[in-house]
Amino acid sequence: QQQVKQSPQSLIVQKGGISIINCAYENTAFDYFPWYQQFPGKGPALLIAIRPDVSEKKEGRFTISFNKSAKQFSLHIMDSQPGDSATYFCAAATGGGNKLTFGTGTQLKVEL
Amino acid sequence: KAGVTQTPRYLIKTRGQQVTLSCSPISGHRSVSWYQQTPGQGLQFLFEYFSETQRNKGNFPGRFSGRQFSNSRSEMNVSTLELGDSALYLCASSLGTFGETQYFGPGTRLLVL
Repeated sequence: QQQVKQSPQSLIVQKGGISIINCAYENTAFDYFPWYQQFPGKGPALLIAIRPDVSEKKEGRFTISFNKSAKQFSLHIMDSQPGDSATYFCAAATGGGNKLTFGTGTQLKVEL
Repeated sequence: KAGVTQTPRYLIKTRGQQVTLSCSPISGHRSVSWYQQTPGQGLQFLFEYFSETQRNKGNFPGRFSGRQFSNSRSEMNVSTLELGDSALYLCASSLGTFGETQYFGPGTRLLVL
């Protein structure tokens, strides 16, 4: 049972554009929602995370928007750069936050 | 501060064999989690150890087991390997409290022939 659905599977954005990745969850007990970035040959690295008592969180060019009633959250990458080309995973967790349920990933390519 | 290290980085085994993977967490981190990453199933949680005790467990068969030592280093073992066990096995460490960032290692790529 897939508890976190992520879309799109792949995304091509022009340099300077906005990349948007969406996730939806089913388990209302989730209370921690991180986004991870993974480059080939590397492990995932935390980008930004949010808790459900906040509707938006921004860190640099990365913003998470969270809609608790719709059980959806999204990652926006502003001014996308070729160096942002990677696979992005949303995730969710309950309680201690160390049992992460991941989305299926989005392969982002930023073209010049 | 050194990151999460995993050994070995690559491993080739045959069906029926068993394998042990090792993870050394960031200094001071007491929680170690293991994940399996495959193209078909994505990233799936295996288990988490905190202070030498298994604190969380995913939905994997009993062939997958782990342990944690007093210095927080962790090992995971897979017995009676199957072809479907071919995957990237990732270890992540954290302080272990709510919302603390999990830092992932580079993974061990296991190929079962």
